[in-house]
Amino acid sequence: DAGVTQSPTHLIKTRGQHVTLRCSPISGHKSVSWYQQVLGQGPQFIFQYYEKEERGRGNFPDRFSARQFPNYSSELNVNALLLGDSALYLCASSSGTHTDTQYFGPGTRLTVL
Amino acid sequence: GESVGLHLPTLSVQEGDNSIINCAYSNSASDYFIWYKQESGKGPQFIIDIRSNMDKRQGQRVTVLLNKTVKHLSLQIAATQPGDSAVYFCAENYAGDQGGKLIFGQGTELSVKP
Repeated sequence: DAGVTQSPTHLIKTRGQHVTLRCSPISGHKSVSWYQQVLGQGPQFIFQYYEKEERGRGNFPDRFSARQFPNYSSELNVNALLLGDSALYLCASSSGTHTDTQYFGPGTRLTVL
Repeated sequence: GESVGLHLPTLSVQEGDNSIINCAYSNSASDYFIWYKQESGKGPQFIIDIRSNMDKRQGQRVTVLLNKTVKHLSLQIAATQPGDSAVYFCAENYAGDQGGKLIFGQGTELSVKP
């Protein structure tokens, strides 16, 4: 079975641009979470979606938004990119309840120049 | 000068020795804890989890211990192998709201010498 997939693998943008990152969860999983991982630190929670509804949001500015589609895939959008947005963006999927294990994808490496 | 966040705690062990990685968590309301392994350039990989109604759980070559009194978690790896070299993160699952966001620790870099 395929694990969590993310696209693209790498991305280079310039300040002020916007970016869309994509995630497909493990088959049968209904919840997708997004995390930002800056080099040398642990992942930081951005959003969680379950059944297309936002279930949780971390301490990130409104430039960050996300949505989940009927097939449970998800997009993370970041507007007006800043240099500090350069990071590895991770998607994790789970069955849905809060104690279900979250399985991570390989991430999208975003570099903002 | 130092850059905050670029200096992970490190643990260096000899191949075949046992490794113990420690973690302090922050929220006494957290009820689910997970250890992840992250190799360079990859996403975190699930290792083992434990719920707050347990104090020990064993897997294949790994054991997680939970001490809720002092909010401490540890991961023990038996007979450490070169393939175990990675950064290890503990994560707590805070169920304060209806979601389940994971709060990650800083991470520990494990280096296994052959």
